[in-house]
Amino acid sequence: AQSVTQLDSHVSVSEGTPVLLRCNYSSSYSPSLFWYVQHPNKGLQLLLKYTSAATLVKGINGFEAEFKKSETSFHLTKPSAHMSDAAEYFCVVSRGNRGSTLGRLYFGRGTQLTVWP
Amino acid sequence: EPEVTQTPSHQVTQMGQEVILRCVPISNHLYFYWYRQILGQKVEFLVSFYNNEISEKSEIFDDQFSVERPDGSNFTLKIRSTKLEDSAMYFCASSRDGSYEQYFGPGTRLTVT
Repeated sequence: AQSVTQLDSHVSVSEGTPVLLRCNYSSSYSPSLFWYVQHPNKGLQLLLKYTSAATLVKGINGFEAEFKKSETSFHLTKPSAHMSDAAEYFCVVSRGNRGSTLGRLYFGRGTQLTVWP
Repeated sequence: EPEVTQTPSHQVTQMGQEVILRCVPISNHLYFYWYRQILGQKVEFLVSFYNNEISEKSEIFDDQFSVERPDGSNFTLKIRSTKLEDSAMYFCASSRDGSYEQYFGPGTRLTVT
């Protein structure tokens, strides 16, 4: 079975400081992992994805995440937060890798990121 | 950039009524999905659809739910007799093929009174 635990429901940072959003996963398969972001009244936007290639994944808007199999983690980071990064972030896992059907996505509960000026 | 669209953005209905939520997936995508998020809870998978049939469904997707691709562009979710607990944000998603990432629409907020 697949599941995701986002370790923080809320994270607050000052603009210009680093961002760390933590995610641990559980999967019976070699998983694909994703981070999605949701701004108020907007849909879920894909930030980045890991599908069994390089373990350090770069996404949009300066975000990156590292897949650590030994720690079953896929934490999201950004060196310097911007006011526009304030949103809700979802860590997501699916079974299977590129080349196989990913099937349903399993979402974490989300982490609300607040960025202070 | 192509995107998934959903209508309406907000639907209010009375308990027991039928509702149809509509989605237009990205045009060259072949896999389609519905998810929902009850307020304060996780986003949950409902159903996936490929080649004009359901490929996977969750335990939530019971006989009250159905999906259809009535033409070449729309993908719909029907709830036959709504319950209070169906109140949620419903997200449609599509994928180029089943092994690629899913792209989500902005959601339809369904309120059942």
